[in-house]
Amino acid sequence: AQSVTQPDIHITVSEGASLELRCNYSYGATPYLFWYVQSPGQGLQLLLKYFSGDTLVQGIKGFEAEFKRSQSSFNLRKPSVHWSDAAEYFCAVVPNSGGSNYKLTFGKGTLLTVNP
Amino acid sequence: DADVTQTPRNRITKTGKRIMLECSQTKGHDRMYWYRQDPGLGLRLIYYSFDVKDINKGEISDGYSVSRQAQAKFSLSLESAIPNQTALYFCATSTGGVMETQYFGPGTRLLVL
Repeated sequence: AQSVTQPDIHITVSEGASLELRCNYSYGATPYLFWYVQSPGQGLQLLLKYFSGDTLVQGIKGFEAEFKRSQSSFNLRKPSVHWSDAAEYFCAVVPNSGGSNYKLTFGKGTLLTVNP
Repeated sequence: DADVTQTPRNRITKTGKRIMLECSQTKGHDRMYWYRQDPGLGLRLIYYSFDVKDINKGEISDGYSVSRQAQAKFSLSLESAIPNQTALYFCATSTGGVMETQYFGPGTRLLVL
């Protein structure tokens, strides 16, 4: 079955530490890949997206993500976390199945806590 | 001013009541969406509209209906609210296309007693 999985429900890191949030997908063809962030009390905001080309994608707020076809993964990274990065992060996909019926499917999210 | 607004931001209602959540956007986008968010379940699509005359069910449309009154307005209705519809509801808009970015409103927190 087609799915997008975020294996970590909750991650805690110290401010200044590096961060990696995992995302795996299960689709016949590589889907279009997105990361969104939801700050407390806010709607979702796009961090970055990947369709093709360079497998390392740069986004806003210092985030990057690396697409690995062999692992069906699109992990989000940040070299040094700031307290303001505390939020919930969602991986999302649009299936690459042709047609024009594009709809996002979200993972269940990873909640990031940042310790001072 | 926010590009995507939702009203009300918070609502408490009783089982069996009809309730409408409204979404307005100033981005000029054709596509609009309604999602609900439940803890541990992420966001799930309720309904979506690719233009004023095109409305489609999402993965969890039972118990909900929508109305696209204009390009800028997309309303979600609960005809007879039930407690398991207690959730955070988001409206979103997009331009369309494969690599579209969706722009989200701030959400409406609904409690059904």
